[in-house]
Amino acid sequence: EVQLVESGGGLVQPGGSLRLSCAASGFAFSTHWMHWVRQAPGKGLVWVSHINIDGMNTDYADSVKGRFTISRDNAKNTLYLQMNSLRAEDTAIYYCAGGFYCTTTTCSGGWFDPWGQGTLVTVSS
Amino acid sequence: DIVMTQSPDSLAVSLGERATINCKSSQSILYTSNNKIYLSWYQQKPGQPPKLLIYWASTRESGVPERFSGSGSETDFTLTISSLQAEDVAVYYCQQYYSSPYTFGQGTKLEIK
Repeated sequence: EVQLVESGGGLVQPGGSLRLSCAASGFAFSTHWMHWVRQAPGKGLVWVSHINIDGMNTDYADSVKGRFTISRDNAKNTLYLQMNSLRAEDTAIYYCAGGFYCTTTTCSGGWFDPWGQGTLVTVSS
Repeated sequence: DIVMTQSPDSLAVSLGERATINCKSSQSILYTSNNKIYLSWYQQKPGQPPKLLIYWASTRESGVPERFSGSGSETDFTLTISSLQAEDVAVYYCQQYYSSPYTFGQGTKLEIK
């Protein structure tokens, strides 16, 4: 069974830090780009960050650039999101999702699948 | 950044009737080298993560009922549910995966009339 399981969410004060994890099983983690997507309470989906298969290509939404860092450990089938200088507007459910499938020579696909169940991050004093 | 705009924001349709959701991209998301449209559709029910329905604008994901279909050209796209079932009540999102940032539409809330 394909599973992505996020963890690490919780309540943090403004200016604080959290590290989210996304553990993959039943899924070819090391051959897929990975993404973080967030959803504020009652709001829509917002892409946050991506990382390619070897971790050398990353990108971030402008709203988190310079504060968040995405990384991955293919040996542990785990994706991470280090979140620093957290703000109230970062309050959201954070989902990890699979993206492009890559071989040694090319990448294909690109849609987001599978998705984890999400982990809630609340930034409040 | 590519802006994705959905219409309407909400929609109420009777059971068994057709539901149509539109999505427009601010620029073409057709990749000419492979002639593929980099657009996907997702369904999200309350308390659940999004579920992939459609990719390449019109390819139905495995296991998705045939009543769901996608269509469109370079910048204008449509998700159609041919005969609405009660379990289709959800919020639907389009998304472009043509270029980063991989933007989503604002969502369309589908309800039963």
